[in-house]
Amino acid sequence: GQNIDQPTEMTATEGAIVQINCTYQTSGFNGLFWYQQHAGEAPTFLSYNVLDGLEEKGRFSSFLSRSKGYSYLLLKELQMKDSASYLCAAMDSNYQLIWGAGTKLIIKP
Amino acid sequence: IAGITQAPTSQILAAGRRMTLRCTQDMRHNAMYWYRQDLGLGLRLIHYSNTAGTTGKGEVPDGYSVSRANTDDFPLTLASAVPSQTSVYFCASSDGLAGGSDTQYFGPGTRLTVL
Repeated sequence: GQNIDQPTEMTATEGAIVQINCTYQTSGFNGLFWYQQHAGEAPTFLSYNVLDGLEEKGRFSSFLSRSKGYSYLLLKELQMKDSASYLCAAMDSNYQLIWGAGTKLIIKP
Repeated sequence: IAGITQAPTSQILAAGRRMTLRCTQDMRHNAMYWYRQDLGLGLRLIHYSNTAGTTGKGEVPDGYSVSRANTDDFPLTLASAVPSQTSVYFCASSDGLAGGSDTQYFGPGTRLTVL
């Protein structure tokens, strides 16, 4: 079956760095997406990886290892506004997204 | 402002009633999607449309129907609502180009409660 695993909740301190991990099992693979979702709002696109390695985009970076079925989202210089849920989604061979349940990130002052 | 709109924002519905959730996009995207989001679960695909005139079933299609008469609109209908359909419903759209980053963009959601 197809499955995405990510931690349910994480806590970090303002100004610090946090890494949110995601492992996936899909029938075929066409890329890994990260979305941010603030409470009561729609998911918004953060990053896309299809090749192994690290993609950096400002304070946010995303890493992919296809051989390990593993990705992480790295958030640097955390700000209070980064408190949100972070959704990992893998695109399968039919170009459908398989979604994880999301990681709720709590930022403390 | 380009994007996706959904209506209504929220709705309380009696079980057994028929309800249509509306979704409109102005980005000329080929593909559109309907998801439901429940606490503790990932987004689950209900139905999708790769292009106007075609639709397909997702992971949880039972009790829902869709139509795609044109590029912009993708309504979702609950023929006879049941309490298990209480959820937040998100409409999304994408270019629909196979390969590459087919990023999905989401509407603001409809919070539906079935009593």
